[in-house]
Amino acid sequence: GAGVSQSPSNKVTEKGKDVELRCDPISGHTALYWYRQSLGQGLEFLIYFQGNSAPDKSGLPSDRFSAERTGGSVSTLTIQRTQQEDSAVYLCASGVFNEQFFGPGTRLTVL
Amino acid sequence: KNEVEQSPQNLTAQEGEFITINCSYSVGISALHWLQQHPGGGIVSLFMLSSGKKKHGRLIATINIQEKHSSLHITASHPRDSAVYICAVKPTGNQFYFGTGTSLTVIP
Repeated sequence: GAGVSQSPSNKVTEKGKDVELRCDPISGHTALYWYRQSLGQGLEFLIYFQGNSAPDKSGLPSDRFSAERTGGSVSTLTIQRTQQEDSAVYLCASGVFNEQFFGPGTRLTVL
Repeated sequence: KNEVEQSPQNLTAQEGEFITINCSYSVGISALHWLQQHPGGGIVSLFMLSSGKKKHGRLIATINIQEKHSSLHITASHPRDSAVYICAVKPTGNQFYFGTGTSLTVIP
């Protein structure tokens, strides 16, 4: 079956622009996570969705970051007014219980 | 303060060597994961542990809940094992906490 997919795979944008990153989780997975991996750094939790519950947004670094999950499936991470320090690989993972399956990531470069 | 500490940070081994990567954590957990990330590649979950020991092929993962410690062992290492290995723990809440990874290079 299909795994977690993310799009685009690469995104180059100019400072100050808004970007949207998409995650298609594995069908039936109720949990969806967004992470950020900066160069040479570990994975940083951003946001967690579980079913129809309110998302856990405690990892979002600023109010420029937001995410939605529509119909318990596809999720979009939006970064407004991008800054150079937002450059990173953004990873999505979906799962059930304590499992996680990762997508390939979106590499965001802010010039 | 990092809830998850891995050692070593970098490891170079000759093909065929037995390899151990260690993970210590400071919080109570419901699960621990070992993840593998190849250069430029995605992240693959190798193991999920809540107790004891698991084995997949040449990979063995153990966990000691009382000591808050886990190890990942690779027997008969091979150059294709070269990757970053990441330990991740899940306390009772929603978040996973990640170690910074161990970069393994296996030389033919």
